[in-house]
Amino acid sequence: RKEVEQDPGPFNVPEGATVAFNCTYSNSASQSFFWYRQDCRKEPKLLMSVYSSGNEDGRFTAQLNRASQYISLLIRDSKLSDSATYLCVVRGMFSGGYNKLIFGAGTRLAVHP
Amino acid sequence: DARVTQTPRDKVTEMGQEVTMRCQPILGHNTVFWYRQTMMQGLELLAYFRNRAPLDDSGMPKDRFSAEMPDATLATLKIQPSEPRDSAVYFCASAQSAPTGEAFFGQGTRLTVV
Repeated sequence: RKEVEQDPGPFNVPEGATVAFNCTYSNSASQSFFWYRQDCRKEPKLLMSVYSSGNEDGRFTAQLNRASQYISLLIRDSKLSDSATYLCVVRGMFSGGYNKLIFGAGTRLAVHP
Repeated sequence: DARVTQTPRDKVTEMGQEVTMRCQPILGHNTVFWYRQTMMQGLELLAYFRNRAPLDDSGMPKDRFSAEMPDATLATLKIQPSEPRDSAVYFCASAQSAPTGEAFFGQGTRLTVV
């Protein structure tokens, strides 16, 4: 089982749609959680951190469920510029006892007019 | 504007040649990660340093890959000899040591081995 698993995608949605991405992680000792965004041929960039109480940044809402080891990202009112790959990221003490940053495979979002 | 700097941005080399990729982490960040990204595998963690010490390089093929941090401002990833299957984008990322901090990525080195 992969340490971080995401929806396979791709998601093709019209402008204005609401889209949700899900992610699960295997290590219950994971300490911090993020969503990164990666545009084609670019480096991953932090979109938002994910907190236990849930957090919102404009059209983006992130949720964390530690009991279920589940993270989600909701994008409301999708824009063409939201088209990218969204990476679920977990930081914590993985195999070997080292603090690592582990990425999911990513979910591609394509927003069309 | 603090950023992670990677060189070269693009590298085309012949099979069997040595390749060295360099990374300058953000000043004050003492944690450095090397990742490899391909279409098939996504982002794979190759090596991880804290305070210049290699803590985990289990994701790295040991026979041909090596990673070092000669000083706090430079991390290197070397492949010798290179093979076509090494073709990928190699990213360096740096972070503060706190276990909750995010990582900041360089722009990557796109390696093509022919």
